[in-house]
Amino acid sequence: KAGVTQTPRYLIKTRGQQVTLSCSPISGHRSVSWYQQTPGQGLQFLFEYFSETQRNKGNFPGRFSGRQFSNSRSEMNVSTLELGDSALYLCASSWWGEGSRNEQFFGPGTRLTVL
Amino acid sequence: GIQVEQSPPDLILQEGANSTLRCNFSDSVNNLQWFHQNPWGQLINLFYIPSGTKQNGRLSATTVATERYSLLYISSSQTTDSGVYFCAVERASNFGNEKLTFGTGTRLTIIP
Repeated sequence: KAGVTQTPRYLIKTRGQQVTLSCSPISGHRSVSWYQQTPGQGLQFLFEYFSETQRNKGNFPGRFSGRQFSNSRSEMNVSTLELGDSALYLCASSWWGEGSRNEQFFGPGTRLTVL
Repeated sequence: GIQVEQSPPDLILQEGANSTLRCNFSDSVNNLQWFHQNPWGQLINLFYIPSGTKQNGRLSATTVATERYSLLYISSSQTTDSGVYFCAVERASNFGNEKLTFGTGTRLTIIP
């Protein structure tokens, strides 16, 4: 089975712009979560989607948003970029069927640099 | 929210040595995972271990859920074991899925 894929892998933007990151989960996985990793704050949860619905949200401003499509692929969007949004953005997928364990598998990440 | 503490923060060892990494958590958990982050940033799954003991080659892990800690053992270390090791937990909840909360990691450096 192919793993979690994320595109693009690297991105450079300027302050004020917006960006869209994409994540394709492992085939058959229905839950997609997003995390932000920075040297100062470590790994922090952004949000989680299951069956096209946001089930859980971390403590991030409204500039961070996401969605999930019917094929479980997910996108996250950051509007009005700030320098502090420079980070590695990681996507994870898990199966979440009845009786399943919620083991999460991560993609390679998108490294966003805001200038 | 749940607190996750990892120790030690840094560990430098000679190749061939054994090491033990610890993860303490502050609440009951449904899920506990150990990851190794490679130099390119990807998190590699090592163990899914909310309780009990598992082994995979030179690596093994034990979680004592009642005492709220987990240990990752690495035996006969190799230079390829270098990197950051993260423990992440999902708090037990009656409301469905919870997020993974990560510790701050242990940076392991293996010297040839």
